[in-house]
Amino acid sequence: AQSVSQHNHHVILSEAASLELGCNYSYGGTVNLFWYVQYPGQHLQLLLKYFSGDPLVKGIKGFEAEFIKSKFSFNLRKPSVQWSDTAEYFCAVNRDTGGFKTIFGAGTRLFVKA
Amino acid sequence: EPEVTQTPSHQVTQMGQEVILRCVPISNHLYFYWYRQILGQKVEFLVSFYNNEISEKSEIFDDQFSVERPDGSNFTLKIRSTKLEDSAMYFCASSDIGQPNSPLHFGNGTRLTVT
Repeated sequence: AQSVSQHNHHVILSEAASLELGCNYSYGGTVNLFWYVQYPGQHLQLLLKYFSGDPLVKGIKGFEAEFIKSKFSFNLRKPSVQWSDTAEYFCAVNRDTGGFKTIFGAGTRLFVKA
Repeated sequence: EPEVTQTPSHQVTQMGQEVILRCVPISNHLYFYWYRQILGQKVEFLVSFYNNEISEKSEIFDDQFSVERPDGSNFTLKIRSTKLEDSAMYFCASSDIGQPNSPLHFGNGTRLTVT
């Protein structure tokens, strides 16, 4: 079955630490990849997306993600986190076949200590 | 920035009752979705809707569920006879063109509690 796996359910970091959140997917074929973020009390919003081209994608707020096709991975990174990055992060995938279903991972709760 | 709005923010209902969750997608969007998230679990796809019909649905979306776009602005999810396991956060989303070309814009969600 198609699935998206996020490696960590909870991550605690101090401000200025570097962040990497893992994401692997199990689709074959061409995929489109997303990271969404949900800040406390807010709705899910797009952080960044990859459709094609440069596998290193830059998003908002200094986040970036790298698509490694051979590893079926799309890890999220940020060199130096801030307290305001405290949120839940969701990796998501859909197939590039015109389908309407986006599959989400279980999410990673990030807590950044001030 | 235009938003997807959902009402109510919290709904409490008794098992066996019908509930209707309401959503107003972004006005020029054409594709509509419902997702749910049971506490502590992943965000799960329920259904997508385009051109006044269901485009795709998951195995969760059984005969107890239905969706409707009763007018030009609202998009509703109805659960006919709620079960305890329907307790979850329900998210509505919309996109302006069909996936995969457009990311989803989500509402704040409706927390459904079935007692």
